Amino acid sequence: GQNIDQPTEMTATEGAIVQINCTYQTSGFNGLFWYQQHAGEAPTFLSYNVLDGLEEKGRFSSFLSRSKGYSYLLLKELQMKDSASYLCAVSDINQAGTALIFGKGTTLSVSS
Amino acid sequence: ETGVTQTPRHLVMGMTNKKSLKCEQHLGHNAMYWYKQSAKKPLELMFVYNFKEQTENNSVPSRFSPECPNSSHLFLHLHTLQPEDSALYLCASSQGAHAYFGPGTRLTVT
Repeated sequence: GQNIDQPTEMTATEGAIVQINCTYQTSGFNGLFWYQQHAGEAPTFLSYNVLDGLEEKGRFSSFLSRSKGYSYLLLKELQMKDSASYLCAVSDINQAGTALIFGKGTTLSVSS
Repeated sequence: ETGVTQTPRHLVMGMTNKKSLKCEQHLGHNAMYWYKQSAKKPLELMFVYNFKEQTENNSVPSRFSPECPNSSHLFLHLHTLQPEDSALYLCASSQGAHAYFGPGTRLTVT
């Protein structure tokens, strides 16, 4: 099966940088996703990594190391609206086909 | 708006009721999913459909019964639920691994 770990909660201040880590164990790795979920809303796609390295998209970047089973999501120039839950998810072709398996999520609180 | 709609958005039902959740995707995807999201728990995969065929049933109790009449529509039929089934039920669709989620149905079982 899979095991996906990420911190439960993090806090940061406006304008700061925060890094949310995710470790995973899977047998048929087929990509890692980060989603953002505001309270009461659906998860929305942030990033996708299938090869090692850093993917940058505006204020958000995501890094993957397949050999270490490790990823992080980096959020720069934090804004209050970034307060949300950040979900790490893995695609495993040996489990559930195309479906994503999610971690518990990291609740990020941004204060002024 | 992600192209995936769900109805109803909120549902309160008794343990002896029968109700259905509906999901529709307008993205032309060939895979659809039901996930359950409870407080303090990760999103739990319940069912997977590829090209209308169920390819995954993640040990879900039989009081949850999915139906996929075509590649654009997905239903979750509910009967004799328990209070612990109260949760947010999310539908998603994908073409490959990138999933697009609907807004969810907030279900409360009394």
